[in-house]
Amino acid sequence: AQSVTQPDIHITVSEGASLELRCNYSYGATPYLFWYVQSPGQGLQLLLKYFSGDTLVQGIKGFEAEFKRSQSSFNLRKPSVHWSDAAEYFCAVGPFTGNQFYFGTGTSLTVIP
Amino acid sequence: KAGVTQTPRYLIKTRGQQVTLSCSPISGHRSVSWYQQTPGQGLQFLFEYFSETQRNKGNFPGRFSGRQFSNSRSEMNVSTLELGDSALYLCASSATQGNTEAFFGQGTRLTVV
Repeated sequence: AQSVTQPDIHITVSEGASLELRCNYSYGATPYLFWYVQSPGQGLQLLLKYFSGDTLVQGIKGFEAEFKRSQSSFNLRKPSVHWSDAAEYFCAVGPFTGNQFYFGTGTSLTVIP
Repeated sequence: KAGVTQTPRYLIKTRGQQVTLSCSPISGHRSVSWYQQTPGQGLQFLFEYFSETQRNKGNFPGRFSGRQFSNSRSEMNVSTLELGDSALYLCASSATQGNTEAFFGQGTRLTVV
């Protein structure tokens, strides 16, 4: 069965510091992987996606993610965090039957000045 | 190009009532999915419609239902509301089945009292 695990429920970083959010997936074949961001009370905005090819993908807002098949991971990174990056981040795999996506439980990011 | 539009943004209902939520997908998108988001359960897939046909359904009771119209707009209905139905309901639209991402609306915040 497909599943996504985000081991870190909450992360706090200082503004300007680097960031890495972890994501592990369970799926038999090569997955399509996504990272979404959600600000309080808002919907989900797509940060980046991996379908195939280069395992390092670039997204919006300066984010990047690296797909590592051997580790079943798709970790999100940003070299220098801004206060506006404070939000909830979700990793997802899909789409499966009927465009269903499976989401991790999310990682809440706090940025301190 | 307009994004995914969900109405209303906020709803307060009483236990036992029913509620209807609406979602207008991105123009040209024929797939509409619904998700329930709660702090305890995260994002859970409700169902997906494509060209007015339900293609997939998540593990929710029959009180949760949906439909899609010929213009791809979708509605979901929850009957006999329970306190546990309080959640953020997110709608996502996708172009077609396949290597495509989902675009989310801002959600409808339903509070059952």
